[in-house]
Formats: sequence, C-alpha cells, structure tokens
Amino acid sequence: DVKVTQSSRYLVKRTGEKVFLECVQDMDHENMFWYRQDPGLGLRLIYFSYDVKMKEKGDIPEGYSVSREKKERFSLILESASTNQTSMYLCASSLTSGRRADTQYFGPGTRLTVL
Amino acid sequence: GQQVMQIPQYQHVQEGEDFTTYCNSSTTLSNIQWYKQRPGGHPVFLIQLVKSGEVKKQKRLTFQFGEAKKNSSLHITATQTTDVGTYFCAGGAGSYQLTFGKGTKLSVIP
Repeated sequence: DVKVTQSSRYLVKRTGEKVFLECVQDMDHENMFWYRQDPGLGLRLIYFSYDVKMKEKGDIPEGYSVSREKKERFSLILESASTNQTSMYLCASSLTSGRRADTQYFGPGTRLTVL
Repeated sequence: GQQVMQIPQYQHVQEGEDFTTYCNSSTTLSNIQWYKQRPGGHPVFLIQLVKSGEVKKQKRLTFQFGEAKKNSSLHITATQTTDVGTYFCAGGAGSYQLTFGKGTKLSVIP
C-alpha cells in the first residue's frame, strides 16, 4: 500500500513565523501535491511537483513556497505565517501515467493554526 | 482555467434513502475520479472513469461518466451510516493534476 506521511497532525504557530510542513511518500511516485482544505471551499491546489527540483504553481500559491530536493520528500514553506493561513494542509502523491492524471494518495493532513 | 462544479454542497438523508451527487466540468475531461473523506480523515480514492458514457458499480455505489465527458454522478442506493462523509469528484484534463469539486457532505440519520 502507498503510504504518504506528514510531519505533524497539529501545529500551532505565531504570526510572522516561518513554517515548514514536510511530506514523505514511499512508493517512488513522480508527482507530489500540496492542497489546503477549508470548509465550503473544498481542496485547493497550492503547488505541485512532477520531478525532483521541479515545481509548478497551483491555484493559490501566494504566501507559500515549496522544495523538492529528493523524490520522496516535498516540503511546503510558509515564509511568514499569517492568520489567514490557518487551515488543514493535505499532501498527495501520484504516478505519472502519461496521458492522464493518475490516482492521488493523500497523507493524513496537518491542521495548522496561526495565532 | 478548468472548473469542476459539484452539487449539492450538503445532503441529509434518512438511513435507507438514496443519495446522488453531481459534477459538471467547464471543459471536456480525459478522466474523472471520485474520492471519499470520512469525518476527521483524508480523501481516499474510490474509482476512476475514463470512457464516454461509462458506468461502474461498487456494491451500492454507482458511478457514471457523461457522454460528452463533462459531467459525472455518484449514486448510493439505500444509504447506511457507514456512508457518512464528504464525496469529491476530481477531473483530469490530460495533465498531472486533478481539479477537485468542492465536495458533497453526506449526513445519514439513523
């Protein structure tokens, strides 16, 4: 079974802090994704990566950056956390199937609260 | 960009009643996937549809992909309390990423 793990289930940070969220997958997937989930807004894509050191902006990249130095690890960075970044953050990974987007496997999520 | 609309946002049903959620895409899709998120959990893949007009069944769940590959539905027959959760559709348009609908939150009253 695919396993996607995230570094923390719950995180509390202060406004202005730099925040790192880590995601690791163990199935040699090429693609990795970061979403945030808010009530009534569904899953919104922040960034994704289709290869090591490659990244693409999603729908809401402002205030975030990412890093992928190794295939299995994808980090989300909040350069200066703000209260409107309080949310559930979900990481996902998938294989590259070529012609179409493949199944995504999600981690358990990190609930981030910014005070 | 591509948009995937999903309705209804919420649905409350009595146990034993049927339930349907609908997805519509602004563009033609190459595939559509359905995910279920239990309360407190993360989205888990249910099924993928690829062909125009495709219908797939998983026990009490029936998934359909429209002829034009722009809409899809999930129908649950005779809901049970174990069906509680949020159901998401996710459309693919030939790239790496999926565009998720906002989900339908299903509550089942025993």
